[in-house]
Amino acid sequence: KAGVTQTPRYLIKTRGQQVTLSCSPISGHRSVSWYQQTPGQGLQFLFEYFSETQRNKGNFPGRFSGRQFSNSRSEMNVSTLELGDSALYLCASSPVGGGYEQYFGPGTRLTVT
Amino acid sequence: DAKTTQPPSMDCAEGRAANLPCNHSTISGNEYVYWYRQIHSQGPQYIIHGLKNNETNEMASLIITEDRKSSTLILPHATLRDTAVYYCIVRVGGYTNAGKSTFGDGTTLTVKP
Repeated sequence: KAGVTQTPRYLIKTRGQQVTLSCSPISGHRSVSWYQQTPGQGLQFLFEYFSETQRNKGNFPGRFSGRQFSNSRSEMNVSTLELGDSALYLCASSPVGGGYEQYFGPGTRLTVT
Repeated sequence: DAKTTQPPSMDCAEGRAANLPCNHSTISGNEYVYWYRQIHSQGPQYIIHGLKNNETNEMASLIITEDRKSSTLILPHATLRDTAVYYCIVRVGGYTNAGKSTFGDGTTLTVKP
């Protein structure tokens, strides 16, 4: 099976702009989660979608949002970008059943200037 | 989710077993122990998980103490490619919690020739 894919892999944006990141989960996985990783804060959970519904949410401002489509693909959006949003954004998918472990994509490196 | 404590760094000689400890003294009866690792700038990789029995797969072994308050991840024959940050995560099992993992600082394992 193909792994989790994320696009784009690298992105440079200017403060105040908005950005959309995309994630395609492993085939058959219905849970898609997003994480932000920065040197200072480590890996932090943003939100999780399951069957097109947000099921869990982390402690991030409303500028961070996401959605999931019927094919389980997911997008996350960050509006009004701030310098502190520069990070590696990771997507993970999880199967229904079994150990419910998560499989991560390679991430999107976002740089805000 | 229960809090975990891991040593910040460890070294291991190539070819030797790497034993990575994790303390989770406040673990609840329905919480599982998961291990992931992250090689520099890549997405985290799932390694193994368990509830109370010891587990083994092609990558590693997981030893959980009888009181479940600590666990050890064992890489039987460490190679240079095992150099990574290893995360021990404790979370409630089941599909409603599959998508949310709380990552700590992990242990940086350095395998030396």
